[in-house]
Amino acid sequence: AQKITQTQPGMFVQEKEAVTLDCTYDTSDQSYGLFWYKQPSSGEMIFLIYQGSYDEQNATEGRYSLNFQKARKSANLVISASQLGDSAMYFCAMREGGAAGNKLTFGGGTRVLVKP
Amino acid sequence: GAVVSQHPSWVICKSGTSVKIECRSLDFQATTMFWYRQFPKQSLMLMATSNEGSKATYEQGVEKDKFLINHASLTLSTLTVTSAHPEDSSFYICSARDFGGSQGAAGELFFGEGSRLTVL
Repeated sequence: AQKITQTQPGMFVQEKEAVTLDCTYDTSDQSYGLFWYKQPSSGEMIFLIYQGSYDEQNATEGRYSLNFQKARKSANLVISASQLGDSAMYFCAMREGGAAGNKLTFGGGTRVLVKP
Repeated sequence: GAVVSQHPSWVICKSGTSVKIECRSLDFQATTMFWYRQFPKQSLMLMATSNEGSKATYEQGVEKDKFLINHASLTLSTLTVTSAHPEDSSFYICSARDFGGSQGAAGELFFGEGSRLTVL
């Protein structure tokens, strides 16, 4: 079974609008972490936001927020006020077993294209 | 923030040759580094965990004799693709953990810029 599932292979979003990228995960661990990364065409992986499994508040970082629904095992990324520079691949990732590991499992990614 | 650097950023080689890719942590010590492989339009797949001073831990299905990993110092891990063939062409990216990071769990893991390998 897939550990990290991103069901949207690609999305268009109008500039200045918000977009939600879906991510569901599967784990039996009680302690885990969820990450979102942005990968532009240059290939670098840019860290966006992190949510720990024990964090009660949804994580926010500027225009990025994470809608964490633990019971549903989902960790959707919301990008508000989209900008042209947001066009990129977005990956959801999970780290299991606490902070000691830091080995990440990635979802298949969602390509976002922001339209002017 | 912490920086991880990879070199070369791209390399083209002939089939049968070996290629070495370096991953350096520039302002922190990394006892553990991770090597990922990414095919075009696909996700990142973990290849191996590189441990300073000991053998790397390879993921299932990854040939350790094909992808040699050496982590001889706290700031450098190398991935050598031995006897490269066209099917080894891919984007290789490393990540490293900064144990001394101040940003908590989220800030501890950093990625290099990636290395694009093309084998002719």
